[in-house]
Amino acid sequence: AQSVTQLDSHVSVSEGTPVLLRCNYSSSYSPSLFWYVQHPNKGLQLLLKYTSAATLVKGINGFEAEFKKSETSFHLTKPSAHMSDAAEYFCVVISNAGGTSYGKLTFGQGTILTVHP
Amino acid sequence: EPEVTQTPSHQVTQMGQEVILRCVPISNHLYFYWYRQILGQKVEFLVSFYNNEISEKSEIFDDQFSVERPDGSNFTLKIRSTKLEDSAMYFCASRSGNSGNTIYFGEGSWLTVV
Repeated sequence: AQSVTQLDSHVSVSEGTPVLLRCNYSSSYSPSLFWYVQHPNKGLQLLLKYTSAATLVKGINGFEAEFKKSETSFHLTKPSAHMSDAAEYFCVVISNAGGTSYGKLTFGQGTILTVHP
Repeated sequence: EPEVTQTPSHQVTQMGQEVILRCVPISNHLYFYWYRQILGQKVEFLVSFYNNEISEKSEIFDDQFSVERPDGSNFTLKIRSTKLEDSAMYFCASRSGNSGNTIYFGEGSWLTVV
């Protein structure tokens, strides 16, 4: 079984300040973890992914996330928010159980990021 | 960059009507998925499809739902008799055959059942 909890439903920051979106996961197997972003009226775009290589993962648009197994966390950060970062962010897990179960993504509830000028 | 495309982007249908949502996955991909997101709720897995058959489905995916890959390029989701609670954003996704590869999503089809 696998699950994802995004600890904040809404995060509000000022432009130029750091962003932290929190995610905790549980997984019966070694997980792969992803962050997707959804801008209004748009599809889900992959920001970054962790697949058991380096624990600090860099993604697009200056985002990065660190996989911490001891804390079962995969928080998303960005040093300086931009207005265009305003969107909904989803933390997603796949348990690497193999076979066709790979690909059944489990989504977190989503975090809406608001960026103020 | 290759992308997953979905049509229609929006559809309004009356309760009890049949709806077909269409998807064109990325051309060399082998695994296909449908997910849905009811307004204000999580994105939920519906079904996965590989080698021309369903490989996994959720409890949401009951007899009212079916999927098909009729011509080697399109991947469709059919809802036979829509209910009000079927109103949601439906996302198609695909991935290549290598373990660890990213799943790519389409922009979604908004279905409103009235």
